[in-house]
Amino acid sequence: GENVEQHPSTLSVQEGDSAVIKCTYSDSASNYFPWYKQELGKRPQLIIDIRSNVGEKKDQRIAVTLNKTAKHFSLHITETQPEDSAVYFCAASSNFNKFYFGSGTKLNVKP
Amino acid sequence: NAGVTQTPKFRVLKTGQSMTLLCAQDMNHEYMYWYRQDPGMGLRLIHYSVGEGTTAKGEVPDGYNVSRLKKQNFLLGLESAAPSQTSVYFCASSYGLAGGSETQYFGPGTRLLVL
Repeated sequence: GENVEQHPSTLSVQEGDSAVIKCTYSDSASNYFPWYKQELGKRPQLIIDIRSNVGEKKDQRIAVTLNKTAKHFSLHITETQPEDSAVYFCAASSNFNKFYFGSGTKLNVKP
Repeated sequence: NAGVTQTPKFRVLKTGQSMTLLCAQDMNHEYMYWYRQDPGMGLRLIHYSVGEGTTAKGEVPDGYNVSRLKKQNFLLGLESAAPSQTSVYFCASSYGLAGGSETQYFGPGTRLLVL
């Protein structure tokens, strides 16, 4: 099956700095890559996603890049704010059936 | 529009007891999923369903059974609970491939403690 690895496990940045979280996947059939944000005690919420036919996608301060050849994708958050502090998960899926999640990155944005 | 709801919110079981977790969605979604979340391991897919009357195994299906008798409900059963099943369980739903939207909407979670 698919194996998704996520790095780093924790990330601490100063408010206003950028944050980058990286994931790799093993199954070349994976074609959908969502990113979720989970605040403490809350449910995961989708923040951005990308399909395999696209190399980059942006939504305001958040962007995701995908390198199919190298089988890795990354989440970029610019101008970080304290409210960005949370755990972020990447995931990979083939045709929206099985989803495989990374182990999560705890982002701490220091004011 | 309640979205995705889960019942119960919290439960304590003794080893060997059985229970059923209920997931309900009112968005007419085709696909539904059950995940478990353990510290440091992210979410792992237990079972999923791509439509009413269908179920399929995910990454960690052992010790669990599911049923999707109605489109809006997805039940997760533990026949004989074990301490290793202590976890937070999340249900999710989406329109799926045919529906043209991949976004998964998660329920609030059920915290299960098996003693």
